Amino acid sequence: QVQLKESGPGLVQPSQTLSLTCTVSGFSLTSNSVHWVRQPPGKGLEWVGAIWSGGSTDYNSALKSRLSISRDTSKSQVFLKMNSLQTEDTAIYFCTELGGTNWFAYWGQGTLVTVSS
Amino acid sequence: DIQMTQSPASLSASLEEIVTITCQASQDIGNWLAWYQQKPGKSPQLLIHSATSLADGIPSRFSGSRSGTQYSLKISRLQVEDTGIYYCLQRYSNPPTFGGGTKLELK
Repeated sequence: QVQLKESGPGLVQPSQTLSLTCTVSGFSLTSNSVHWVRQPPGKGLEWVGAIWSGGSTDYNSALKSRLSISRDTSKSQVFLKMNSLQTEDTAIYFCTELGGTNWFAYWGQGTLVTVSS
Repeated sequence: DIQMTQSPASLSASLEEIVTITCQASQDIGNWLAWYQQKPGKSPQLLIHSATSLADGIPSRFSGSRSGTQYSLKISRLQVEDTGIYYCLQRYSNPPTFGGGTKLELK
């Protein structure tokens, strides 16, 4: 079955770079796209960006200058890198898959990233 | 970006009551709308996609409808397990955008 799992550092200092990994199973990264969505504590959901099955990427325009999404298809992993982190980037970061339904039907459990010194 | 205006922001209802949550899109999005439920500490769960289609495994008391650029989620007979926060999502154009959320509690 389809599964996604995020992993990352938990705590990042301001101005530093965030690196997150989404490890997937049950589908191929060359068939389905993977998206990142974040949620500040107690707030709503915000789409961050995506890597499509062909390897192209799309980013939230507000984050584009700081954001990079890549993948290793052999390891079934998708990577998110965001630099110049600020306290406003504190959030739960989810990865989710856009599969046959054309909707975000499967999600990871999320990983909390806190930006603090 | 397409704006999704969701209402109400919070809602308190009784067991077995009918509940309706709406999302207004800032432009035509066709049927590119989904509804999600999120419980505390959990990831969002897909309830309705393509405006009116029930996702796999979701009880039939949940339904979605569309009138122009206004979309509604209806829970026909509220159950205890239906409490949580509900979000709409449009995927008509990039970036995908979510509504602000509706917190549903039991009265």
